[in-house]
Amino acid sequence: EPEVTQTPSHQVTQMGQEVILRCVPISNHLYFYWYRQILGQKVEFLVSFYNNEISEKSEIFDDQFSVERPDGSNFTLKIRSTKLEDSAMYFCASSDNRRNTGELFFGEGSRLTVL
Amino acid sequence: EDKVVQSPLSLVVHEGDTVTLNCSYEVTNFRSLLWYKQEKKAPTFLFMLTSSGIEKKSGRLSSILDKKELFSILNITATQTGDSAVYLCAVKGYGGSQGNLIFGKGTKLSVKP
Repeated sequence: EPEVTQTPSHQVTQMGQEVILRCVPISNHLYFYWYRQILGQKVEFLVSFYNNEISEKSEIFDDQFSVERPDGSNFTLKIRSTKLEDSAMYFCASSDNRRNTGELFFGEGSRLTVL
Repeated sequence: EDKVVQSPLSLVVHEGDTVTLNCSYEVTNFRSLLWYKQEKKAPTFLFMLTSSGIEKKSGRLSSILDKKELFSILNITATQTGDSAVYLCAVKGYGGSQGNLIFGKGTKLSVKP
C-alpha cells in the first residue's frame, strides 16, 4: 500500500542551526502538508502546499520556516536558526482531494530535538 | 477561537469492554469532523463525518455526529488490546486548504488483557 515516507526519523541539532526535513508524499497526491506535535500536546497544522506554492499557513509558520518541492517527488520543510521550542515531532501528510474523503495520509514523522 | 475538546483524556478498560470517546467542537463554518488513530507515530484515518445523525461504521468501530449540539462520539465494541492507541478528533472549517485540520488533544485508550 502506498505510504508517505519521511527522513530522518530523528534529528538532533544545536540551537541556531538549520535543519531540513524530507518527505516523499504518495505519488499521485497533489496536496501536501506539514504538521507538528510537541511532546504531550496537540497535533498542529503548519502549512499546506499545492501546485508548487503555499496554499495556507498557520501562525506558527513564520519566516523561520519554508517549504519546497525541489523535484517531482520530495517535499521539504526547512527550519532556519532552530530554537529549543522547535523540538517536536514533524509530520508530513498528503491527500488526494479529488476523492473528497477528507483523509490525510500521514508519514511516520521526524523527531527533531534542539539542544 | 476554533477549538476541539476531547474527553476523557485517558481511559483504561479490559478486553471485551465497550468504550465511548467524546469530541466537542467550536469552529467557524464547520465542514467536517474526522477521527484518527495514533498508535506509535503516524495518525491513521478512521472516519470522516459531515452530516448529523448518519452513523459511520467499520468493524467494531462506529461514529456519529451531532451538528446541533456540536459533538461526535466514537464507539468501540468488544475492545481488543490492539485497540490501545491515542484517538484523535479533528475538525475542518470552510475556507482555507483541505488539510488545515484542528486537532483535539486526543484520548489515550489502554485495553488490558
